Amino acid sequence: GAVVSQHPSRVICKSGTSVKIECRSLDFQATTMFWYRQFPKQSLMLMATSNEGSKATYEQGVEKDKFLINHASLTLSTLTVTSAHPEDSSFYICSARDISGGAIKTQYFGPGTRLLVL
Amino acid sequence: AQKITQTQPGMFVQEKEAVTLDCTYDTSDQSYGLFWYKQPSSGEMIFLIYQGSYDEQNATEGRYSLNFQKARKSANLVISASQLGDSAMYFCAMREAYSSASKIIFGSGTRLSIRP
Repeated sequence: GAVVSQHPSRVICKSGTSVKIECRSLDFQATTMFWYRQFPKQSLMLMATSNEGSKATYEQGVEKDKFLINHASLTLSTLTVTSAHPEDSSFYICSARDISGGAIKTQYFGPGTRLLVL
Repeated sequence: AQKITQTQPGMFVQEKEAVTLDCTYDTSDQSYGLFWYKQPSSGEMIFLIYQGSYDEQNATEGRYSLNFQKARKSANLVISASQLGDSAMYFCAMREAYSSASKIIFGSGTRLSIRP
C-alpha cells in the first residue's frame, strides 16, 4: 500500500528556535496533504491543508505565520514551527491522499513527529 | 459544519469477544465518507475501514465491519473475536464530499483495552 514518511520522528529544541518537519509520499503523488496536531490523550486536530503549488488553507485558530507550510512538489510538504514555545510541544501528523485512478477512499498517514520544546 | 461524536472514552473487553465502538456523525451533506482508524501507542494511524454514504452494503474488512445506519447517522465499528493486539485508541472520522481537498475530521476517540 501507499506509504507516507515523516522526518524527523522526534525532535527536541530550545524555546525560540524554528523546527522543520517533512512529509513525503513515497510511492504516489499527492496534490493535497494535511497537517494534524495531537496533544496527549486527545484527538487529531486538523491544522491546515497543504496544496501543491499554492498557499495552504489554515483552520480557524491556527496561526499561519507561526506554522509555515510549503508544498513544493507532488511528493513533499513541509511544516515549519517558527519560534517554537513549550506550548507547541505536540505530536504532529501529516496525511496524504492518493487520487490516482480516481479512487480517493483512503487517506494515508505518516508516522508522526513528536516535538518537545524546552 | 461536520461533527463526529464518540461517546465511549474507554472500553474493556475480554479476549475473543466481539466489541462495538460507537460513532455518530452530523452533516448536512448528502455525499460523505466515514472512516475508522486505529492508533496504537506508537502513534501511527492505521486505516481500518471505509464506508461511503451511498454504499448500500455495510463495509467489511476481515474482523472489522462497519454498522452503517444512515437514518440514525451512526457508523459503529464492530470487531469480531477481539485479540490482545487490538488494544489501542480508535478514531471515527468523516470526510464530506469526494474532492481531493475535502478534509477529514476526527472524533474524540475510544481507548479499547483487551483483557487476556
